[in-house]
Amino acid sequence: DTAVSQTPKYLVTQMGNDKSIKCEQNLGHDTMYWYKQDSKKFLKIMFSYNNKELIINETVPNRFSPKSPDKAHLNLHINSLELGDSAVYFCASSQPGGGRDEQFFGPGTRLTVL
Amino acid sequence: DQQVKQNSPSLSVQEGRISILNCDYTNSMFDYFLWYKKYPAEGPTFLISISSIKDKNEDGRFTVFLNKSAKHLSLHIVPSQPGDSAVYFCAATMNYGGATNKLIFGTGTLLAVQP
Repeated sequence: DTAVSQTPKYLVTQMGNDKSIKCEQNLGHDTMYWYKQDSKKFLKIMFSYNNKELIINETVPNRFSPKSPDKAHLNLHINSLELGDSAVYFCASSQPGGGRDEQFFGPGTRLTVL
Repeated sequence: DQQVKQNSPSLSVQEGRISILNCDYTNSMFDYFLWYKKYPAEGPTFLISISSIKDKNEDGRFTVFLNKSAKHLSLHIVPSQPGDSAVYFCAATMNYGGATNKLIFGTGTLLAVQP
C-alpha cells in the first residue's frame, strides 16, 4: 500500500546512455517533485509539477526532462548521462494548502553512472 | 550558498536521554520549517513542523523550538529510543506563491541512540 513509489530502486549504467526513472503516487496529491541527493548528502529540489504543469525548474541541465502524463505520475528522463549524475533521486508529492504542505517522499532511486 | 545548515553531522545519545538536533538558516524570508527523518535506503518521512508565528510545537516525544531572531531551530526528542536512530533533516520554505512549494534542506544529522 505504498504512497509514493519509484522504479527502479537501483540503476547502474554507462556514461552517455539515456535512462528513465518512474514515480507514482496514490495519495491523490496535485503536486509532485523530483529531488536529488548528491554524494555530500545534500538534498536539493530539481523540479515541481502541479496537476501536470511544470512549476519549478531549479536550473537543472536540459539533459533532465521530467514528464507528467497525469497528476499521479512524474517520470524523470535523463539523456547523455554523465558521471556527475550519480546520486540518489527522490520523488515526492504533496497537496498544497496555503503553501504549508508536508511532502511525502518515495524510497529513492540510486543512480550510478560508470 | 547553503541557506539551511546543520552543523553537526552526527550525534550520539543514550537511550532515555534527550536528543537535541540543531539547525540554522540564513534567509529571513523563510516562514515555515519542517523536520524529516530518514532511515537508510528509504525516503525522508515528515516528523514535525513549525510556522514562524510560533516558537514551539510539540508532538508526543518531539518538540521543535524556533528562535527567529537567531535564525535557529532545534528538535528535541525526549526520551530518545533506539528506533529514533536515523538521519534528521531540517527543511525550510516560504510562500513562493502558486500551488506548489519547495523545501530547502540542510545536510542532515545522523542520530545514534545507544541502548
